Amino acid sequence: EGQLVEVGGGLVKPGGSLGLSCAASGFIFRNAWMSWVRQAPGKGLEWVGRIKSTTEGGTTNYAAPVKGRFTISRDDSKNTLYLQMSSLRIEDTGVYYCTSSLDGDSDAYDVWGQGTMVTVSS
Amino acid sequence: SYVLTQPLSVSVAPGKTASITCGGTRIGGKSVHWYQQKPGQAPLLVISYDTDRPSGIPERFSGSNSVSTATLTISRVEAGDEADYYCQVWDSTTDHVVFGGGTKLTVL
Repeated sequence: EGQLVEVGGGLVKPGGSLGLSCAASGFIFRNAWMSWVRQAPGKGLEWVGRIKSTTEGGTTNYAAPVKGRFTISRDDSKNTLYLQMSSLRIEDTGVYYCTSSLDGDSDAYDVWGQGTMVTVSS
Repeated sequence: SYVLTQPLSVSVAPGKTASITCGGTRIGGKSVHWYQQKPGQAPLLVISYDTDRPSGIPERFSGSNSVSTATLTISRVEAGDEADYYCQVWDSTTDHVVFGGGTKLTVL
């Protein structure tokens, strides 16, 4: 079974930047479409964005609230997914999960990381 | 943007059946996935593609999807089923994934 482990969360001031990474194991990472999903404290799940597999172009797509501020990338040689966040806002506070499907390009997310907390506060 | 509407809460007695709905425009034409999330844990996929049950998910969990409403049904509800449940679809118009607002299932 697949496993995802996120690292990099922490406290950052509004307007600042922060990078998250997600290490994958137990499945063929290079074939997987990878996504980030976040959850503000006490709130529901919110899709952040996705990156396709490199063989399918590695193209990205982002939710409107983060477009232009967040960048998703991947390094297939390291089986690692990244989320670079800039111009952070208080409303970006929450737990960030990396997630994917063991079926490659499916959007039924059957593998999730444990989540990492990002707090944007002055 | 595409919107999925779920009831905020559903309550059910142990042993009874719980139904959690997910409304959306022409949702019957989309594939709906359902997640269970317990406090402090990552979401868990319980139903994919409207009706499929991933390995390890009890047969008590089932799904349906028709026209404007998708439904997650949990039969013979147990105390351990108490959690938040989210529906999810892919919106082809925007190429975005969309989650419903979530439903808190309370086992009385």
